[in-house]
Amino acid sequence: EAGVAQSPRYKIIEKRQSVAFWCNPISGHATLYWYQQILGQGPKLLIQFQNNGVVDDSQLPKDRFSAERLKGVDSTLKIQPAKLEDSAVYLCASSETGETQYFGPGTRLLVL
Amino acid sequence: SQQGEEDPQALSIQEGENATMNCSYKTSINNLQWYRQNSGRGLVHLILIRSNEREKHSGRLRVTLDTSKKSSSLLITASRAADTASYFCATDFNFGNEKLTFGTGTRLTIIP
Repeated sequence: EAGVAQSPRYKIIEKRQSVAFWCNPISGHATLYWYQQILGQGPKLLIQFQNNGVVDDSQLPKDRFSAERLKGVDSTLKIQPAKLEDSAVYLCASSETGETQYFGPGTRLLVL
Repeated sequence: SQQGEEDPQALSIQEGENATMNCSYKTSINNLQWYRQNSGRGLVHLILIRSNEREKHSGRLRVTLDTSKKSSSLLITASRAADTASYFCATDFNFGNEKLTFGTGTRLTIIP
């Protein structure tokens, strides 16, 4: 069974530029999560989807971050414009039961 | 703010010894999970313990949960070099939302 796929794996941008991350969850998993993990910290949930609907986006900085999950499968997370403090690893996870989450390898973002 | 706090922040032991790390949390939970993160990779689910369980085993892993003290411990027996990683506890306290809140992590180093 294929795992959660994410791309790109690494991205370097200048502040005020925009960037987008892509995630393909495990087939059949209805719930999809995006996390931000700053160096030395645990992952922080940004947004949770159930199929193509948003369940929780309370910690998503909506003035610059946006996410969508079209057709309830793939998802994209966008940052526009990026700030220095957005440098982090962005993790995507999916879940079938809503309990155990399966994580992708993450996208490491560096904002200069 | 992050729900769980792991203790210690870092731990170094000799290969073959046992490693114990602890997690404390603040509010009532539905379940508590432990995840492992190897350097530069995504998180891998290790074990889940529900609020009505006190102890659970999986291979060389033993997890305990004390809901009265709002704490959990993860014991790794007969450690191996491959156990070198960061370990995070994650709590599900939303009762139905299946949203996980991760702690700050314990960095475990196994010395060959």
